[in-house]
Amino acid sequence: EVQLVESGGGLVQPGGSLRLSCAASGFTFSTNWMSWVRQAPGKGLEWVANIKQDGSEKYYVDSVKGRFTISRDNAKNSLYLQMNSLRAEDTAVYYCARESPPGFGYFDYWGQGTLVTVSS
Amino acid sequence: DIQMTQSPSTLSASVGDRVTITCRASQSINSWLAWYQQKPGKAPKLLIYKASGLESGVPSRFSGSGSGTEFTLTISSLQPDDFATYYCQQYNYYSWTFGQGTKVEIK
Repeated sequence: EVQLVESGGGLVQPGGSLRLSCAASGFTFSTNWMSWVRQAPGKGLEWVANIKQDGSEKYYVDSVKGRFTISRDNAKNSLYLQMNSLRAEDTAVYYCARESPPGFGYFDYWGQGTLVTVSS
Repeated sequence: DIQMTQSPSTLSASVGDRVTITCRASQSINSWLAWYQQKPGKAPKLLIYKASGLESGVPSRFSGSGSGTEFTLTISSLQPDDFATYYCQQYNYYSWTFGQGTKVEIK
């Protein structure tokens, strides 16, 4: 059974940093592009970033470029999102999602999400 | 970025109704469109990929159609479990973008 479990969310002050993790199981993690998608409270879905199977390609939504970094460790079956210079508008539930088939951009499995709150 | 616009934003319907949701792209995305269902407090669930491909395990009352800039999600006979919010998503051009969502409510 495919499972994606996010962790690392919490309350952080504006300008602060946070690192999210996503532990994957039930599939061969190294064969899939992976993404982070977020959802602000009461709002719609926003794709944040994705990363190729070997980490050689990464893409970001404009609003997080230069502040967020996506990475992965295939040996640990884990996906990460380093978030720096956080702003109030980054407050959201952050989902880890698998893109499948590889190279396509839709998401067949999602984690349960982790809440990030940016507030003083 | 490509803008995705869904209509309506809210839809009131009864069990057994045929329901259609429309998604329009600001430029052609060929058939690179997915549909998701989301219930409160839960992660989205993939329903349709490549505009009309039914994801495994999804009931056949769900169907998708369209290409280019206009797409539809149809629920042929609305069931109690279908009351939720539905999102379209394009994956033709970065950044991947979602529609604003359509909430299907009980009439």
